[in-house]
Amino acid sequence: GAVVSQHPSRVICKSGTSVKIECRSLDFQATTMFWYRQFPKQSLMLMATSNEGSKATYEQGVEKDKFLINHASLTLSTLTVTSAHPEDSSFYICSASPGQGFQETQYFGPGTRLLVL
Amino acid sequence: KNEVEQSPQNLTAQEGEFITINCSYSVGISALHWLQQHPGGGIVSLFMLSSGKKKHGRLIATINIQEKHSSLHITASHPRDSAVYICAVSRLSSGSRLTFGEGTQLTVNP
Repeated sequence: GAVVSQHPSRVICKSGTSVKIECRSLDFQATTMFWYRQFPKQSLMLMATSNEGSKATYEQGVEKDKFLINHASLTLSTLTVTSAHPEDSSFYICSASPGQGFQETQYFGPGTRLLVL
Repeated sequence: KNEVEQSPQNLTAQEGEFITINCSYSVGISALHWLQQHPGGGIVSLFMLSSGKKKHGRLIATINIQEKHSSLHITASHPRDSAVYICAVSRLSSGSRLTFGEGTQLTVNP
């Protein structure tokens, strides 16, 4: 099956620093990538949808200036958590879809666990 | 009321048992997905359904569009099947964006 990688898998940072998470589709071109956040014992929450070459679409309540998303190529999207605070500690997962059709399978990355001290 | 509801929330079974996880949804959909999340957090897409039934190994997924209901069955369950199983739907109005259920924590004991 299609493979999506994320880097880093785990990061610990000090409050106030910025953290960049990369999401790569390794064997297909991802027209659309999604960024999710998951708190312990909760389901995934969609943060934003990004399409290659255009601005990301953020879900209600997600601050676009805090969570910067760049989908610079068909195989790479990055999420930057700016000025991270302890409440941003969470599990961040990306997924990638080959197209924009309604019945596209999403391929998920392994996730990045962020801990802000 | 959530748009996607799963039951049960938690399920404990003995190895070898037949397992069923249910998912009901209240919106128009273009597809329904079953996902498996392992304890480390990684997510695997098991099935994407828009009608009927699909089978992969010991896993079977069915969907009834009229009743807005889907089931995931695991035959001859094994401890390695222990994971969170998540039902998600692609809403007709939302393209490929997914709406998730709360997940079902399955534990299979040896």
